[in-house]
Amino acid sequence: NAGVMQNPRHLVRRRGQEARLRCSPMKGHSHVYWYRQLPEEGLKFMVYLQKENIIDESGMPKERFSAEFPKEGPSILRIQQVVRGDSAAYFCASSPPGRSQETQYFGPGTRLLVL
Amino acid sequence: SQQGEEDPQALSIQEGENATMNCSYKTSINNLQWYRQNSGRGLVHLILIRSNEREKHSGRLRVTLDTSKKSSSLLITASRAADTASYFCATVSGGYQKVTFGTGTKLQVIP
Repeated sequence: NAGVMQNPRHLVRRRGQEARLRCSPMKGHSHVYWYRQLPEEGLKFMVYLQKENIIDESGMPKERFSAEFPKEGPSILRIQQVVRGDSAAYFCASSPPGRSQETQYFGPGTRLLVL
Repeated sequence: SQQGEEDPQALSIQEGENATMNCSYKTSINNLQWYRQNSGRGLVHLILIRSNEREKHSGRLRVTLDTSKKSSSLLITASRAADTASYFCATVSGGYQKVTFGTGTKLQVIP
């Protein structure tokens, strides 16, 4: 059973470009979470999604950031018109439905560098 | 502000010694978890302790939880150089089990 997959692992963008980060949850997992980690800091919650639904986006910046988890395919975190401050590691986690939801399984992360 | 605050921020010990990290939080929780992160890598789940539990063991790891003080500790016994990593506590609360991470403790084990 493959773990949570994220791609790309590293992404370099110039200011003003778009960044698209992908996350494929573990098989059987219907919950996806995105976190951002700045250097030397902990993970900050961004958004929690279930298939085709955004459950909690309280940690997502109001502008330029969006997330989706379609019925088919991976979850996408999209950052439009990137700025230098968006440089960070973005981690995706997934969990199965039910009580087991309390344990999240993390992907390796995508490291975004904005030049 | 952070839900979880780890203490100390950084810890350096000799191989074979024990390492203790503390975590304090502010709101009521369903459970508390500890994760490990090697430099430049993702997080690995170490142990989960429920709000009605006071102590839990897993191999060389021992976790305590004091809900009256809203604090938890992670003890790593007989540390090894391979234990060098950052350790994060994460509180889980609310109906949909929202996970909130602390600021982390950076542990260095010197061989």
